[in-house]
Order: sequence, then structure tokens, then C-alpha cells
Amino acid sequence: NAGVTQTPKFRVLKTGQSMTLLCAQDMNHEYMYWYRQDPGMGLRLIHYSVGEGTTAKGEVPDGYNVSRLKKQNFLLGLESAAPSQTSVYFCASSHAASQYFGPGTRLLVL
Amino acid sequence: GQQVMQIPQYQHVQEGEDFTTYCNSSTTLSNIQWYKQRPGGHPVFLIQLVKSGEVKKQKRLTFQFGEAKKNSSLHITATQTTDVGTYFCAGVGAGGGADGLTFGKGTHLIIQP
Repeated sequence: NAGVTQTPKFRVLKTGQSMTLLCAQDMNHEYMYWYRQDPGMGLRLIHYSVGEGTTAKGEVPDGYNVSRLKKQNFLLGLESAAPSQTSVYFCASSHAASQYFGPGTRLLVL
Repeated sequence: GQQVMQIPQYQHVQEGEDFTTYCNSSTTLSNIQWYKQRPGGHPVFLIQLVKSGEVKKQKRLTFQFGEAKKNSSLHITATQTTDVGTYFCAGVGAGGGADGLTFGKGTHLIIQP
């Protein structure tokens, strides 16, 4: 039982490049989330999903898109990366109350 | 929108001293959760408080939820080096948490041996 996994662990991008972050969970959770964590800012919700095929915007959705084609996967896309998107990205899943976080993806945009 | 404020941002203590972090929400919460993040790690769920005035204990950790369900605190008695990390509170609004948590900015606990 791996819980929540994220790939890649670390990535460096140039401004304007695109990439997709993958989150996978094996707990059969309905809800999945993408957060970004910046120094002094805590965790901020980017997008979330309450079930397969559904997504919704969180607090800071601009510059990101998401898809939930399968229940176990939640993808976060950056179409044209900007230096302001340098951050640590955490995926989480939940069934009811507590959220289970993945190990994170460190993204550096130059 | 809902805001959750947490103080202090940093707390230095000597090993063995007590530690407290406080959380305040701008709106009444459905419930509140606490997470711990070790340096370089990811947030890990500690506890959820649901009832007004609720107090829960986990060994040396005591969690409280205010009567008005707008504030909460985490108190650690006799800190140990294993307590090092950032403690986050996260508010759950009327949506019940399906639309995500609103995190405080966290309190970094630094312990000097």
C-alpha cells in the first residue's frame, strides 16, 4: 500500500516550458487535491476534485490546469511555466476527514 | 473567503520546555485539523477536532477547540528533539472539507538541546 505518490520528485524548467505533475493514490479515495507550498505562505489550494471526471478551482488556480480521468490519478499541468511557479507542490487525497499527502514535487522555474 | 491565522511563526525552545501554537479563523469552522511537517517532509495528519470546547490528548500533545469554533491551540509538554518541525492548523468550513482545507501559515518549532 503505497498511499499517495508523486512524480517527478524534482524538476527544473525554463520559463515558457510546459510540464505535467502526476499524483496517484491507491486508497480508493474520492477527493484529491493539489497544493503549493511557499516559504512563509503555508499550503495554498490550487485545484481539487471530488470524484472521477470532476475538478474545481481552489485559492490559487491561475496558470494551472488539472484532470481526473481515473479515480486514482490527479494530474496538474503547467502550460507555460513562470518563475512565480517555483514552489513545492503537494498532492493529497481524502475519503472523509483527514488528508493524506504525497512526498511532494520540487519545481524550479528559471 | 475564509482565513486562518496562526501564531507564532517561529518558536525557539530549550529541550524540555513547553510549546504552544495558536490558530484563529475569520469564520466559524465545521471542524479543525492539525498537521505536522518535518523538515524536508510532507504534512502528516495529527488530529481532528469537531465539537465546541473539545480537548484531545495524544501523549504530550494537547489540542483544544474553542467554544465558538473559531480558534484552536496545540500545546506540547516537555518538548523533545523529535518534536522539531512545522505545525499547521487547517480549518474545515461549511463545505465539510471536500473543497479542501484552509491552512494557517504554520509555526516552526526549533528545539535547542
